[in-house]
Amino acid sequence: GESVGLHLPTLSVQEGDNSIINCAYSNSASDYFIWYKQESGKGPQFIIDIRSNMDKRQGQRVTVLLNKTVKHLSLQIAATQPGDSAVYFCAEGGSGLIFGQGTELSVKP
Amino acid sequence: KAGVTQTPRYLIKTRGQQVTLSCSPISGHRSVSWYQQTPGQGLQFLFEYFSETQRNKGNFPGRFSGRQFSNSRSEMNVSTLELGDSALYLCASTHLGLVGGGELFFGEGSRLTVL
Repeated sequence: GESVGLHLPTLSVQEGDNSIINCAYSNSASDYFIWYKQESGKGPQFIIDIRSNMDKRQGQRVTVLLNKTVKHLSLQIAATQPGDSAVYFCAEGGSGLIFGQGTELSVKP
Repeated sequence: KAGVTQTPRYLIKTRGQQVTLSCSPISGHRSVSWYQQTPGQGLQFLFEYFSETQRNKGNFPGRFSGRQFSNSRSEMNVSTLELGDSALYLCASTHLGLVGGGELFFGEGSRLTVL
């Protein structure tokens, strides 16, 4: 069936390093893709989105890359900070939202 | 402006009972969508309401239902509760709806425990 999945369940990085979180999707008809951050005890927080007709989009310290050829989505976080520690979800949207399982990012000081 | 508000934050029910959860969206947002989050299944889309009409529906049984009022507040109901319904139920609001994309604002969720 159609699904969005993450390659790695956990990711540990050193403070100041760049982080890359990956996601694979299977529904090539999705209109957009979104990255969310969820901290413990809180609801997901929007980070950045990208439309299906784009390859790259940049925000503040974050970049999302979309490779439609291999159905791959990635989130790059520059200069990772302790406050970036959270679970990150990718999601594909259109008529609903399909979420990946999440990657837990741990930032070591 | 005030964020998305969900009530109650925590509740405990027993099997066979029914539960109603409430969600107040951000002022001006016409779309409210609901999600179930569990450790095993992750975040799963339940349904979306837009201007009082159900616009999209995920793959959940008919025991899960919802509605939206004219002030955009939404409720979801789960009847004949099962142990597997224990989860964090999240709602989110957005102005354009899921079709339009863009930022989705989530509440902090209602944690349901079924005993």
